[in-house]
Amino acid sequence: NAGVTQTPKFQVLKTGQSMTLQCAQDMNHEYMSWYRQDPGMGLRLIHYSVGAGITDQGEVPNGYNVSRSTTEDFPLRLLSAAPSQTSVYFCASRGGSTLTLSYEQYFGPGTRLTVT
Amino acid sequence: AQKITQTQPGMFVQEKEAVTLDCTYDTSDQSYGLFWYKQPSSGEMIFLIYQGSYDEQNATEGRYSLNFQKARKSANLVISASQLGDSAMYFCAMREGWGGKLIFGQGTELSVKP
Repeated sequence: NAGVTQTPKFQVLKTGQSMTLQCAQDMNHEYMSWYRQDPGMGLRLIHYSVGAGITDQGEVPNGYNVSRSTTEDFPLRLLSAAPSQTSVYFCASRGGSTLTLSYEQYFGPGTRLTVT
Repeated sequence: AQKITQTQPGMFVQEKEAVTLDCTYDTSDQSYGLFWYKQPSSGEMIFLIYQGSYDEQNATEGRYSLNFQKARKSANLVISASQLGDSAMYFCAMREGWGGKLIFGQGTELSVKP
């Protein structure tokens, strides 16, 4: 298993440009989510999905769109990038069993995004 | 609203000594879970330990243990016999509801001195 993969690893955008951060998992996990991490802060939830076709907003959703057409993929779209979106973005997934460790989130390696 | 507080921005510990990283939480839910993650300088998030609110015993994973005091709403991480490789940021997080949403604290940067 590759686990959770994210592309690209690094990206520089100009203000107003759009792009999609890719996230994929091969563990057949139902739950996927996107977080952002700003300097000196913990991770904050942007959007999440509890299964294909179902998404919802997290704590900081403004400026981001998501969709979940398959179990494996959960892309994050920035429609018009702003300097405030400069951050490190993490995608995560978790399974749905009743075992304690099923609550464990598996994190991708992160995408470092800079908006100038 | 649910909240995680980590009051120690930075900590130093001597190699081979034990260290406790503090975490307090606030929630009105009866069922919740608490996590600790390690983030080394390379940036990845590494799961360390999990404690469910109904678990009667404190969770342990190797050199990591979680000192869970439900009445005080604290979930401190104890690292025994610190190693140089333990130098990293440590995040406490709480599971919100039965899904996978996590609320994170601001983190504690641990430095292990040789």
